[in-house]
Amino acid sequence: DQQVKQNSPSLSVQEGRISILNCDYTNSMFDYFLWYKKYPAEGPTFLISISSIKDKNEDGRFTVFLNKSAKHLSLHIVPSQPGDSAVYFCAASGQGAQKLVFGQGTRLTINP
Amino acid sequence: NAGVMQNPRHLVRRRGQEARLRCSPMKGHSHVYWYRQLPEEGLKFMVYLQKENIIDESGMPKERFSAEFPKEGPSILRIQQVVRGDSAAYFCASSPKRLEGGYTFGSGTRLTVV
Repeated sequence: DQQVKQNSPSLSVQEGRISILNCDYTNSMFDYFLWYKKYPAEGPTFLISISSIKDKNEDGRFTVFLNKSAKHLSLHIVPSQPGDSAVYFCAASGQGAQKLVFGQGTRLTINP
Repeated sequence: NAGVMQNPRHLVRRRGQEARLRCSPMKGHSHVYWYRQLPEEGLKFMVYLQKENIIDESGMPKERFSAEFPKEGPSILRIQQVVRGDSAAYFCASSPKRLEGGYTFGSGTRLTVV
């Protein structure tokens, strides 16, 4: 029962263009969403989060959009840089729970 | 100000042996979480602990797995009688209190069962 889904295993984007990573969820009790970035042989690094009371949150080159009716969130990276090449995970939690439910990840490759 | 420290980074065990994974949270963090990542999959929650208390162990397998976070010292994830299916990357994370802003993860322990 995959409650958080990232349907694109991989994405390739040219340097300087926009990268859009997508995530869908099925549990309507989720109210807090996060994006993590992971390099090989390292732990995930927190990027950005959004609460269900908002539909957008920005932090520098990173913007997360939340569409609650569609149970969909996306991460926009603009402009994309070579250092952004990594695996990106979306995660969700709900009802005050401290645990996160992760998607399977999307491998982003930024081409020069 | 060291981050979340996990050791060992790599651990090889034969089937039937015990594996002990250690996690020292960031200074000032009293909440510890363990996650497991199987190859080509996302991270799966295992257990959430505070000092001397297991708060949520809903992701822990019913047998062979245990976790503790004693008053002094690191958190320990213990796997008894390991099997090949236990081979995975085990990540520990910590937070000061609530989840806002996300956890800080360690670099993980990669367990290989041969």
